[in-house]
Amino acid sequence: AQSVSQHNHHVILSEAASLELGCNYSYGGTVNLFWYVQYPGQHLQLLLKYFSGDPLVKGIKGFEAEFIKSKFSFNLRKPSVQWSDTAEYFCAASGSARQLTFGSGTQLTVLP
Amino acid sequence: GAVVSQHPSRVICKSGTSVKIECRSLDFQATTMFWYRQFPKKSLMLMATSNEGSKATYEQGVEKDKFLINHASLTLSTLTVTSAHPEDSSFYICSAGGQGVNEQFFGPGTRLTVL
Repeated sequence: AQSVSQHNHHVILSEAASLELGCNYSYGGTVNLFWYVQYPGQHLQLLLKYFSGDPLVKGIKGFEAEFIKSKFSFNLRKPSVQWSDTAEYFCAASGSARQLTFGSGTQLTVLP
Repeated sequence: GAVVSQHPSRVICKSGTSVKIECRSLDFQATTMFWYRQFPKKSLMLMATSNEGSKATYEQGVEKDKFLINHASLTLSTLTVTSAHPEDSSFYICSAGGQGVNEQFFGPGTRLTVL
């Protein structure tokens, strides 16, 4: 069965700290990977995506993620977080059917 | 990215009534639309996938007679929650995908509260 796991449910950081959110997937066949962000009271926004090619993907707002096939992982990173990065972060995966499977989400709180 | 709208953004209704939620792709033709449900502090759960002009495919555990989905055109899909009950209160989100596009574009969501 297809699944996406996010092991960090709530992460609290101070501004300027580095961020890494874990995401592991279990998928048969070709997999597309995504990170979405949901700011308080707002809708889902795409941060970055991986379909193929360079496993290090750069997204908006200074975020990046690395696809490590051998570890079935797609961790999200940012070298220096800001207070405005406080949000819920969702990792998601899709196969050829394009249906997205979401992880349980990670709430990031950045303290000023 | 493409723009997807939902209407209404918020609805409060009495138990037993039906509520229709619209999802529109504003600047591209959405051959496939997806409907999700998000519970408080929880992730998005896929409810159904709808392809234009054909019947929706529902995920296991989702009652198709309860959640009616119509995808009549390439820019509009509707979700009707029939005979709504308080346990149907949730945040409903649609997304749209175009032909040959692996990415989905999400609407802003509709907050349904059933009294």
